[in-house]
Amino acid sequence: DAGVIQSPRHEVTEMGQEVTLRCKPISGHDYLFWYRQTMMRGLELLIYFNNNVPIDDSGMPEDRFSAKMPNASFSTLKIQPSEPRDSAVYFCASSLIRRKDWVNEQFFGPGTRLTVL
Amino acid sequence: QKEVEQNSGPLSVPEGAIASLNCTYSDRGSQSFFWYRQYSGKSPELIMSIYSNGDKEDGRFTAQLNKASQYVSLLIRDSQPSDSATYLCAVLGDSNYQLIWGAGTKLIIKP
Repeated sequence: DAGVIQSPRHEVTEMGQEVTLRCKPISGHDYLFWYRQTMMRGLELLIYFNNNVPIDDSGMPEDRFSAKMPNASFSTLKIQPSEPRDSAVYFCASSLIRRKDWVNEQFFGPGTRLTVL
Repeated sequence: QKEVEQNSGPLSVPEGAIASLNCTYSDRGSQSFFWYRQYSGKSPELIMSIYSNGDKEDGRFTAQLNKASQYVSLLIRDSQPSDSATYLCAVLGDSNYQLIWGAGTKLIIKP
């Protein structure tokens, strides 16, 4: 079974440009999470979806960031306009949560390394 | 503010010895606990999950949970150079489905 798929793996862009990151979760998983990781701030949750519906976007740093999940097998994270401080590794993770016993094992994609010049 | 604390390290352990990684958490209502391993330049990989007090063993890895003291630990027996990585502790609270992440402990296994 394929794991979480992310594209592109690397993105280099100039300040002010629009960036779109893509994620395909593991089939059958009902939760999808977008994270950002930097040396300074560690792993930060940006937003998560349940059954394609955004549940909590309080981690989204600014209005420049937006995320969508049009169907169960695809999600995007968009930054418009991008800034140098957005440079980080962006991870997508998916999970099948069993509420009755609190099982919430998240599986991560390979990440997108974003560099904004 | 719910927090998960880890010693950032680096923790240096000789090959073949036991590596002990520790994590404390602030939310007494936390129900589920996870250890992830992250190699440099790679994504976090789930290696252990634990949901009840006590020990859980999987191969060379043992997770230990003590809810009364609010700590969870990971023991790696017969440490190998390939175990050198950053180990992230994550805790699931009782109020939502978000994981609260520690900053990670960098482990170095010396040949």
